[in-house]
Amino acid sequence: EAQVTQNPRYLITVTGKKLTVTCSQNMNHEYMSWYRQDPGLGLRQIYYSMNVEVTDKGDVPEGYKVSRKEKRNFPLILESPSPNQTSLYFCASSFLVGGEAFFGQGTRLTVV
Amino acid sequence: DAKTTQPPSMDCAEGRAANLPCNHSTISGNEYVYWYRQIHSQGPQYIIHGLKNNETNEMASLIITEDRKSSTLILPHATLRDTAVYYCIVRVPYNTDKLIFGTGTRLQVFP
Repeated sequence: EAQVTQNPRYLITVTGKKLTVTCSQNMNHEYMSWYRQDPGLGLRQIYYSMNVEVTDKGDVPEGYKVSRKEKRNFPLILESPSPNQTSLYFCASSFLVGGEAFFGQGTRLTVV
Repeated sequence: DAKTTQPPSMDCAEGRAANLPCNHSTISGNEYVYWYRQIHSQGPQYIIHGLKNNETNEMASLIITEDRKSSTLILPHATLRDTAVYYCIVRVPYNTDKLIFGTGTRLQVFP
């Protein structure tokens, strides 16, 4: 089954404790991206990657890092999480040219 | 990317057709119209997309006006499981591929 898998689905952490949210897709997609969703602000892109070792900032990249060492994986790293990063996070993937984007089920992160 | 305008909410009786409108008056010639939906806080789900011809798949139909300034997503027989926020997005389907989600239309299907 074609899918994008995020882990964990839920996470509560403390300020400053580094964490990684994993994202994996099994569709051989070149393009992957991370979004965060906040009430009243909708979905905003954090980072994206057009292929292995190619990443770039989206609209709200501050406080986040990503890596793309393999085509299937695109982890989101919060080196020093802060409460304003409490949000619902989605990973997405698609072929570069046209077609649909597949989204993961989301990771609800709470930073206290 | 061109902006879209959608009504904030709509109701539909179960079994009836749900017609969700979208205005995209500044759409450019190479931009496609995409529809996604988000059920509760799940990941957005692709529904359909098109350039200028009407499109139909197993989920829905997309009607794009001849001048391409507006479109309508049609769910032919809405069910309770179709209750969701529906997003109309216009974009060029290559390069950065960023999806710009507006506020969407919250469709409530009632029994």
